[in-house]
Amino acid sequence: GQSLEQPSEVTAVEGAIVQINCTYQTSGFYGLSWYQQHDGGAPTFLSYNALDGLEETGRFSSFLSRSDSYGYLLLQELQMKDSASYFCAGTGGFKTIFGAGTRLFVKA
Amino acid sequence: DTAVSQTPKYLVTQMGNDKSIKCEQNLGHDTMYWYKQDSKKFLKIMFSYNNKELIINETVPNRFSPKSPDKAHLNLHINSLELGDSAVYFCASSQAQLLWEQFFGPGTRLTVL
Repeated sequence: GQSLEQPSEVTAVEGAIVQINCTYQTSGFYGLSWYQQHDGGAPTFLSYNALDGLEETGRFSSFLSRSDSYGYLLLQELQMKDSASYFCAGTGGFKTIFGAGTRLFVKA
Repeated sequence: DTAVSQTPKYLVTQMGNDKSIKCEQNLGHDTMYWYKQDSKKFLKIMFSYNNKELIINETVPNRFSPKSPDKAHLNLHINSLELGDSAVYFCASSQAQLLWEQFFGPGTRLTVL
């Protein structure tokens, strides 16, 4: 089967750094991607890791370790607008399976 | 310019009715998807089409029937609606070789009474 596990909720303070972890079991795994979804909005693609290591895109970075079937999304210099749900998604076997999402609350 | 559009945005209907949701993308992508997002925000793939051909058909009741008249359009028809069909339905698209980078439509919130 295919499954991804991530924490249901994370709370952090404005200006801080937060890490959202994701472990996966995906057959024919190609890579791990991350999506952001604000309440009432659509998921928006953030990043993708096909190879082990860190990918940086502005304040957001994503990491993958294939040997550990593990990845994380790192958000730096948190802003209030970062309050949203974050989904990890594993692509394999011609489809992308989404985790249940992590709700990030950013406090002032 | 809207990349992936869906109509309608909201749909309220009675149990037993039949309804359709339309989706169009102007990104020139080959692959389109339908996802269902339930009240717990779990995003589950339902169908995927590549160049008008069905390539993924998850365990979805056969009351749900997708149709792709061309690679820019993917519609979803639902027969005999049930209470459990209430959810937000998202259409998405991607380049065939970049399955992980999907562009989502705004969603259709379906409420079955």
